Amino acid sequence: EPEVTQTPSHQVTQMGQEVILRCVPISNHLYFYWYRQILGQKVEFLVSFYNNEISEKSEIFDDQFSVERPDGSNFTLKIRSTKLEDSAMYFCASSDRTSMPSGNTIYFGEGSWLTVV
Amino acid sequence: SQQGEEDPQALSIQEGENATMNCSYKTSINNLQWYRQNSGRGLVHLILIRSNEREKHSGRLRVTLDTSKKSSSLLITASRAADTASYFCATGPDTGRRALTFGSGTRLQVQP
Repeated sequence: EPEVTQTPSHQVTQMGQEVILRCVPISNHLYFYWYRQILGQKVEFLVSFYNNEISEKSEIFDDQFSVERPDGSNFTLKIRSTKLEDSAMYFCASSDRTSMPSGNTIYFGEGSWLTVV
Repeated sequence: SQQGEEDPQALSIQEGENATMNCSYKTSINNLQWYRQNSGRGLVHLILIRSNEREKHSGRLRVTLDTSKKSSSLLITASRAADTASYFCATGPDTGRRALTFGSGTRLQVQP
């Protein structure tokens, strides 16, 4: 079954450093997402991306964050200057385009644990 | 309570028993999805139910949706130890946006 793959699975970084998390969405999907889950808390939406631009973003997704689709397969999340509170599991997700008005399944990757020290 | 709250927060049952988890939400939705997460792992999609549907089945899973009560339930029948995980509901808004809002989850422990 096709799956969303993420790298790295775990990264430890110094506060203030830049981090890039990488994702390969499911190949025929057109919508891409980043969510995060701080340890013990809810999964939170960060950003969605469609047609090479951000389509939605949450309040969490401030100027420190950016996303990019550098080629036809990768989708990246960059955190410019990490803070301690950025420590979390970051999930990439993707979904197909559908003509149905009532939404479609969003598939998640295994996540990238980011620890900021 | 916040959008997508599950109840109970934790549930412990014996293998073979059924497990029922509930989810309540506050705003209008266009779909509701249930996910499973093993400790420290990714989110595995279980089932999607659309706002115009009342019940869906997938294997040992049964999901109901009551939009008048803004609630959903996930029933796992004949549970197995391997079903031990956290289960989350996530709602998709009816505004044309696609971002899901997740609940806090139910931690299910199935005792062998």
